[in-house]
Amino acid sequence: EVQLVESGGGLIQPGGSLRLSCAVSGFTVSSNYMSWVRQAPGKGLEWVSVIYSGGSTLYADSVKGRFTISRDNSKNTLYLQMNSLRAEDTAVYYCARALGGAAFEIWGQGTMVTVSS
Amino acid sequence: EIVLTQSPHFQSVTPKEKVIITCRASQSIGSSLHWYQQKPDQSPKLLIKYASQSISGVPSRFSGSGSGTDFTLTINSLEGEDAATYYCHQSSSLPHTFGQGTKLEIK
Repeated sequence: EVQLVESGGGLIQPGGSLRLSCAVSGFTVSSNYMSWVRQAPGKGLEWVSVIYSGGSTLYADSVKGRFTISRDNSKNTLYLQMNSLRAEDTAVYYCARALGGAAFEIWGQGTMVTVSS
Repeated sequence: EIVLTQSPHFQSVTPKEKVIITCRASQSIGSSLHWYQQKPDQSPKLLIKYASQSISGVPSRFSGSGSGTDFTLTINSLEGEDAATYYCHQSSSLPHTFGQGTKLEIK
């Protein structure tokens, strides 16, 4: 069964760090275009980052220099390392697969990150 | 960055009604426009890809059309389970962007 399961969210103080994980089953993470998308409470969807099958990465301007997307092929897991967290990073974070780099056709259930003192 | 503008932001509709949601892009994106449904406390679900391509398992009452800058999502004969927020999304260029969402309330 194709499945994405996020973990690692929680309450963190401003300026802190957190690493999110997305465990993938049913397909190989290294062969796919994988992204993180977030949704602030009561707000819409915001694309955060992508890692291509070749390993190159891109980020939204709002997180560039603070967040790092990566993957562990042996664990078939996607990660998002989040540093220098701000209150505006508070959101549910989803991992998603986009076949051909287009539509996000598989989504995880999301993990909540709350940045607050 | 490509801006997607959806309308309406909110609509209250009755069952069996036909609903049309529009999404306008700030520049031409060809057919790289996708539609999602999100119910409360759930992840988004892909409804339509590449403007008009259907997705396996999605009811046939959902359809999409358009190209360039103007797109529509049509829901024929609305059902109670269609109460949700609908988002358009463009993958023509990075950063990926989403519309602000259209919330459908069923009367």
